[in-house]
Amino acid sequence: QSALTQPASVSGSPGQSITISCTGSNTDIGAYTYVSWYQQEPGKAPKLLIYDVTERPSGVSDRFSGSKSGNTASLTISGLQVEDEAVYHCTSYTSSSTWLFGGGTKVTVL
Amino acid sequence: QVQLQESGPRLVRPSETLSVTCTVSGGSIGTYYWNLIRQSPGMGLEWIGFIYYSGSAHYNPSLKSRVTMSVDTSKNQFSLNLGSVTAADTAIYYCARQSRGLYFDFWGQGILVTVSS
Repeated sequence: QSALTQPASVSGSPGQSITISCTGSNTDIGAYTYVSWYQQEPGKAPKLLIYDVTERPSGVSDRFSGSKSGNTASLTISGLQVEDEAVYHCTSYTSSSTWLFGGGTKVTVL
Repeated sequence: QVQLQESGPRLVRPSETLSVTCTVSGGSIGTYYWNLIRQSPGMGLEWIGFIYYSGSAHYNPSLKSRVTMSVDTSKNQFSLNLGSVTAADTAIYYCARQSRGLYFDFWGQGILVTVSS
């Protein structure tokens, strides 16, 4: 099983919107609505940001939103803020009852 | 609030067995799936496996031949043993709870385990 594909880095200016893609296959992202996203600040554990493609846990800003089309999921950060600088990881459940992660995307606020 | 804490040896010799124990507090280990996930230095996350409170487990096919997970409900703990380690197994090992759905809602802070002679 190959890891999901994410861009290594994405950047934007404060207030802008950015989108991070996460590409898999028809046995993972394309097969289920079990895509989740995690935010990881330096030296910290990942934190749940989005689950079931589009759902936000309580306490997560509505500036974060998720979507999916075919084998590609996306995370959009609207109104980019300095505190959004972090690494973002996507993951998907697979048809083998396993989990695949992406390589992580570093977000830089210019 | 559920909390997870990893513990175990920080340094393991090549070819030996790496062990990580996860202690769950603030909630019962029952009726949930408990996962081990690792992150090699500067790399992405890799799912290692999960174990149910009943003891049934499922592992990443790429690691399956070397992985064993176990659970001790009396201590609210679950554990990972990874055998025949090499330098490639050097990583931060995280414990994570799988929610009632299919996502990881609680994570431990992680433990860095280094494989070196």
